[in-house]
This record gives sequence, C-alpha cells and structure tokens, in this order.
Amino acid sequence: AQSVTQPDIHITVSEGASLELRCNYSYGATPYLFWYVQSPGQGLQLLLKYFSGDTLVQGIKGFEAEFKRSQSSFNLRKPSVHWSDAAEYFCAVGAPWGGSQGNLIFGKGTKLSVKP
Amino acid sequence: EADIYQTPRYLVIGTGKKITLECSQTMGHDKMYWYQQDPGMELHLIHYSYGVNSTEKGDLSSESTVSRIRTEHFPLTLESARPSHTSQYLCASSGAYNEQFFGPGTRLTVL
Repeated sequence: AQSVTQPDIHITVSEGASLELRCNYSYGATPYLFWYVQSPGQGLQLLLKYFSGDTLVQGIKGFEAEFKRSQSSFNLRKPSVHWSDAAEYFCAVGAPWGGSQGNLIFGKGTKLSVKP
Repeated sequence: EADIYQTPRYLVIGTGKKITLECSQTMGHDKMYWYQQDPGMELHLIHYSYGVNSTEKGDLSSESTVSRIRTEHFPLTLESARPSHTSQYLCASSGAYNEQFFGPGTRLTVL
C-alpha cells in the first residue's frame, strides 16, 4: 500500500541549530516528492519538490531535501533554524509524470518548535 | 497574479444551517481538492475533481457535497451543519505534475 511516514511527531531545536525532518515513503515506483509547511491557521505552502534528476533539491526559506532511492526517504534539512521556522511540516508523494490521478498522499506531519 | 482563494476565512454558525464554502483558483488547473483538518492534525481528503462535471469522494467520509460547474470554482456545501463539522477546510488545486497549491483555509465552527 502507498504510504508516507513522518516518524517524528514533534521536534524542538534551538534557534541557529541545524534541522533534519525525516520522511519515508512506500510507493510502487519512484514518486514525485514534496515538502509543505503550514503556519497555525493557514493553508499549506510548498517548500520544495522532487520530480527527477539531482537528488538534492533546494527550496524556499533556505530549506533543502535529499532523495535517497535506496532508503525510500526524502528528508528535509536546514543548516540554521530561525524562530520563524516554527510550524507544521508535511511530506507528500504523488504519482510520477503527473499520472492520471492527481491525489497526493500526505504524512501526518511534524511539528517544529524553536527555542530562543 | 495566479492564486487560490477561499471564503469565508472564518465562519461561526448554528446547528442545522446550510453553508457553502467557496474556493476559486485563477491558475487554470483542472484538478481541485477539499481537505478537512483538525488543528495540529493530519489532512484528510474529502472531495476531489479532475475537471468540470467531475467530482469524487475522498478517503474520509463526509456529509458535505461539492460541485464543479466551472473550471475555476469548486464550492463545498453542508446542507445541515452539526458541531461534528467543526474543523478547518482547505482547498487546493494542481496542474500537470500533481503539485498542489493550497488556499488559506476556512475555519468553521458549528455551535
């Protein structure tokens, strides 16, 4: 069955520290991969995406993610966290090449708290 | 500027009222979605549409209904609101690569 697992429900890091949020997926083929961020009471904003090619992708707000096919993972990283990064982060996978179905499968999210 | 809009942003309403949550996008996307999300919780897909006159139920059973008469418009209707419908409702649209763009959400409270 297709699924996305974000093992960490809640992570707390100090401002200025590095961050890694984990995402593992189960999918029949290499899917399209996405990370979204959601601030309280808001919709989701796309941070970055992977379709093909270079397995290290850069996104907005200084985030990057690395696709590892052998581990079925797409972990999100940031070298130095800012207080404004406190939010909920969702990993998602979708059918490759657009597919006839557009539905994404979302993980349950990881809440990031930032200590001053 | 291409975007996706949801109105109202906040709605407090009494039990038994009929409500319609509006969602419009100016990105020319064929695919549109409705998600239900309780605060701090995961997203649940409740409806989706792959184009005009196409609507499907999502993974989470919902008493709401949707319509897709125009490409840019995907309203969600609750015929008789109940307190159990209290939640945040997120609308999204996607293009050829299934990259979804989300609206700001409607926070619904049913008293």
